[in-house]
Amino acid sequence: GAVVSQHPSRVICKSGTSVKIECRSLDFQATTMFWYRQFPKQSLMLMATSNEGSKATYEQGVEKDKFLINHASLTLSTLTVTSAHPEDSSFYICSASSTANYGYTFGSGTRLTVV
Amino acid sequence: ILNVEQSPQSLHVQEGDSTNFTCSFPSSNFYALHWYRWETAKSPEALFVMTLNGDEKKKGRISATLNTKEGYSYLYIKGSQPEDSATYLCAFPGNAGKSTFGDGTTLTVKP
Repeated sequence: GAVVSQHPSRVICKSGTSVKIECRSLDFQATTMFWYRQFPKQSLMLMATSNEGSKATYEQGVEKDKFLINHASLTLSTLTVTSAHPEDSSFYICSASSTANYGYTFGSGTRLTVV
Repeated sequence: ILNVEQSPQSLHVQEGDSTNFTCSFPSSNFYALHWYRWETAKSPEALFVMTLNGDEKKKGRISATLNTKEGYSYLYIKGSQPEDSATYLCAFPGNAGKSTFGDGTTLTVKP
């Protein structure tokens, strides 16, 4: 079945630094990748939609200059949290649609802690 | 903003018990409803895609029903096992594939 590999699974970084999260579709082409964020005891919230070869579209309230999304190929999308602050600490997860699977295929998520 | 609600928030059952939980969603402009199972430290796994009113789908001991007119779906687990412990999410896909998720029901099955 379709697999999305997400790395890193956990990262701790200092305030002011940037962190890059990668999502790779291993056995299918992901023309669209969705990036979600989950705060404790809350549901997954869509941050942005990443389309291969074009600019990402961001949901209301999500700063595009802070959360940089690059989708340069059909198998790789990256989310970079720039100048991270403690309030950016959260769980970030990507998903992509695949005709080989029901619904959407998710990565395993990244737990970001900014200290 | 779409309102997708799941209840209960958490559930503790004994091994062998059958259980069910609910996902409610907007009944207008229905397209599909997805159920996912999310175990700790793993990727959410797609369980069912429900599309038709009255649909009932089954995967092993897990089944789901759909009522699009009243805007709810039930997920049933028959004879719960400890390995069924997970968070069960429902998602309402909207425009351009953007999904709105419920908060999930966290099921703990005690041996």
